[in-house]
Amino acid sequence: ETGVTQTPRHLVMGMTNKKSLKCEQHLGHNAMYWYKQSAKKPLELMFVYNFKEQTENNSVPSRFSPECPNSSHLFLHLHTLQPEDSALYLCASSQGASGRQETQYFGPGTRLLVL
Amino acid sequence: AQSVAQPEDQVNVAEGNPLTVKCTYSVSGNPYLFWYVQYPNRGLQFLLKYITGDNLVKGSYGFEAEFNKSQTSFHLKKPSALVSDSALYFCAVRVSRLSGTYKYIFGTGTRLKVLA
Repeated sequence: ETGVTQTPRHLVMGMTNKKSLKCEQHLGHNAMYWYKQSAKKPLELMFVYNFKEQTENNSVPSRFSPECPNSSHLFLHLHTLQPEDSALYLCASSQGASGRQETQYFGPGTRLLVL
Repeated sequence: AQSVAQPEDQVNVAEGNPLTVKCTYSVSGNPYLFWYVQYPNRGLQFLLKYITGDNLVKGSYGFEAEFNKSQTSFHLKKPSALVSDSALYFCAVRVSRLSGTYKYIFGTGTRLKVLA
């Protein structure tokens, strides 16, 4: 349960605000992920980091800016968001992003509301 | 296009009865298949996975899933449902890409309600 933590758990922000989401994993993993979960839609993979290097950006708008200072921490910096960006943002980690270390472990998510 | 389908938005089952949550996929190659569960206000929790070998995979909390290659399905099952099994269930596949990396594709989720 505490393997992957996310803060804050809830966030309300205006369209002109700047905020950051934080994820920390205590599992010794090397890969970390950001997902967006919206109602009635599949989870959308946003970014993948493997050994601190970004290996995937799924055409995410530039108002979302990830940062991975080390293998244990992942941030998602938010600025000038739109109301349609309101969703649950999930962080996940896995031992690696390639090979057989394929099971992802998820954090509890940050529920974001953009007004 | 590669995809994962969970055809039922919601499944209702009486406590003690067997449950099935359906998943079908459309991907190239030999995918790895996963089931995750999400309880209210929590992240996704890993339940089980199929990589190779026996088509019947056993996972956490008494759940199991059967891989059927000809039907491209990976249905989640449990012989006797508990009220505490009520949650949102996601099927996912991991597919290989030419770059040597992998991509995870998730279904839209199925809400399971177990009635006492």
